[in-house]
Amino acid sequence: KAGVTQTPRYLIKTRGQQVTLSCSPISGHRSVSWYQQTPGQGLQFLFEYFSETQRNKGNFPGRFSGRQFSNSRSEMNVSTLELGDSALYLCASSFIQGGSYEQYFGPGTRLTVT
Amino acid sequence: GQQVMQIPQYQHVQEGEDFTTYCNSSTTLSNIQWYKQRPGGHPVFLIQLVKSGEVKKQKRLTFQFGEAKKNSSLHITATQTTDVGTYFCAAISGNTPLVFGKGTRLSVIA
Repeated sequence: KAGVTQTPRYLIKTRGQQVTLSCSPISGHRSVSWYQQTPGQGLQFLFEYFSETQRNKGNFPGRFSGRQFSNSRSEMNVSTLELGDSALYLCASSFIQGGSYEQYFGPGTRLTVT
Repeated sequence: GQQVMQIPQYQHVQEGEDFTTYCNSSTTLSNIQWYKQRPGGHPVFLIQLVKSGEVKKQKRLTFQFGEAKKNSSLHITATQTTDVGTYFCAAISGNTPLVFGKGTRLSVIA
């Protein structure tokens, strides 16, 4: 099976702009989670989608939003970018069956805000 | 919210030495997972522990879940340069989403 793919891999934006990141999960996986990774804060949970519904949300401002489509692909959007939004954004998909919650991560999108 | 504390933050070892990272929670965990992230890479799932007192082995890696299901450890025997990376624990408690520890960055000196 193909792994989790994320596009774009690298992105440079300026403050105030908005950005949309895309994630295609492993075929058959219906759960998609998004994480922000920075050197100081580690891996921080943004949100999780399952069957097009947001199941959980982390402690991020409303500028961070996401959605999931019927084919399980997911997008996350960050509006009014701030310098502190520079990070590696990781998407992970899960099968979630029989108590198994292992996450399969994509390569990430490296976002730089200038 | 739920927090998972992971120690140490950094560990430098000579090749051949053992390495252990610990993960602790103040709440009872449903399960705990371990991931490895190589420099410049993304986290890769290693294992999931579910049962109280569970011990699992993968070659030189030994994973343990505490009896009270509030702590876990990852032990690597005789480290090799290929073990370099950051090791994360991640835990679920009830209906909360997966919470990651801050990770332990392992350096191995040849």
